[in-house]
Amino acid sequence: QQKVQQSPESLSVPEGGMASLNCTSSDRNFQYFWWYRQHSGEGPKALMSIFSDGDKKEGRFTAHLNKASLHVSLHIRDSQPSDSALYFCAVSAGNMGYKLTFGTGTSLLVDP
Amino acid sequence: AQTIHQWPVAEIKAVGSPLSLGCTIKGKSSPNLYWYWQATGGTLQQLFYSITVGQVESVVQLNLSASRPKDDQFILSTEKLLLSHSGFYLCAWSLWGGGQDTQYFGPGTRLLVL
Repeated sequence: QQKVQQSPESLSVPEGGMASLNCTSSDRNFQYFWWYRQHSGEGPKALMSIFSDGDKKEGRFTAHLNKASLHVSLHIRDSQPSDSALYFCAVSAGNMGYKLTFGTGTSLLVDP
Repeated sequence: AQTIHQWPVAEIKAVGSPLSLGCTIKGKSSPNLYWYWQATGGTLQQLFYSITVGQVESVVQLNLSASRPKDDQFILSTEKLLLSHSGFYLCAWSLWGGGQDTQYFGPGTRLLVL
């Protein structure tokens, strides 16, 4: 069973709209969380990391972490067509920093 | 600035043939290096990681092997390809390998096994 589930599997939002992506882990050893974005045919690029409960904002992107529920979300405001991509959350445990586990992914389409 | 290069960009190979994929990191000494595999449209699965030259740890068994012959080079190989090896292979690097360490990915190699 996949230890890191993402929802929804796919999402379509209008240009300028808000996109909300969710990620839930089933392993309480996971302490550190990242969001990666992958455009078609390219390698993933790290968008942001979040390690403490609460919100973290970087430009149009805001991540929210709730460690008690093992849930992290990513909100993209003022979505642009260039935001259309696969989004992955990735998690690691404090004592196994080399091992990064990726979620199932969310495909985002921003309609111009 | 660090740059990561993967070769070849794409390969089409026959079942049972050998394979060698390469990855080079420039601009960073003694990086931690990683290999990932991604099925089309799927998630990323970590295959190997290496902390130093000559040392490689396997994360999952997929009839593949990896080697790190130089500080800045990581090689993924197999003697006999399977159909299930098709996919996107990604090399990544990180600074120090702790739990809060971000991994940075290369452009990837697309492999099709027929």
